[in-house]
Amino acid sequence: DAGVIQSPRHEVTEMGQEVTLRCKPISGHDYLFWYRQTMMRGLELLIYFNNNVPIDDSGMPEDRFSAKMPNASFSTLKIQPSEPRDSAVYFCASSSGEGTEAFFGQGTRLTVV
Amino acid sequence: SQKIEQNSEALNIQEGKTATLTCNYTNYSPAYLQWYRQDPGRGPVFLLLIRENEKEKRKERLKVTFDTTLKQSLFHITASQPADSATYLCALVSGGYNKLIFGAGTRLAVHP
Repeated sequence: DAGVIQSPRHEVTEMGQEVTLRCKPISGHDYLFWYRQTMMRGLELLIYFNNNVPIDDSGMPEDRFSAKMPNASFSTLKIQPSEPRDSAVYFCASSSGEGTEAFFGQGTRLTVV
Repeated sequence: SQKIEQNSEALNIQEGKTATLTCNYTNYSPAYLQWYRQDPGRGPVFLLLIRENEKEKRKERLKVTFDTTLKQSLFHITASQPADSATYLCALVSGGYNKLIFGAGTRLAVHP
């Protein structure tokens, strides 16, 4: 397996634009996590899914953020409208069961100007 | 409030020495605790997992302890090498549904 695949690797967008980040988890993994990493706040859990169902979205900062997992092999994180304070590295991770190791993608570096 | 605390200051040690990193948590009852390594520009990579009923776990030069009374985990790297220089993150599996929460990490620098 190629591991967790995220796209794009880098995204630069203007304030107010819609941004969509994509993630393909490892095949067979039941859990998918979206994290945001900044120097100030570290690695924050935004939302996670189990078997394509959102379990906990309490980390989603505002209604401008939304995430979907239409099937077991694809998830999106959308920010609409984007703001400069959304600039961060966004990671997707997947795992095969409770307590098992999480495998991370390479991340998407988002810059909102 | 719930907190996972790792030393925010970088840890600088000499090659060959043992590095010890600390992870303290508050208002969690984790069933599992994990340690990850993160290099600049990369995603975290899993190193070790320890369960709440385990006191210690070893893997090659790595050792993790888990004290649920002190609410603390210690992560040791023995015979450290410059290649061990990275940021190390601890993570808790909290709640009944595999919620994986990370500390902010501690940067380790091993000097030749």
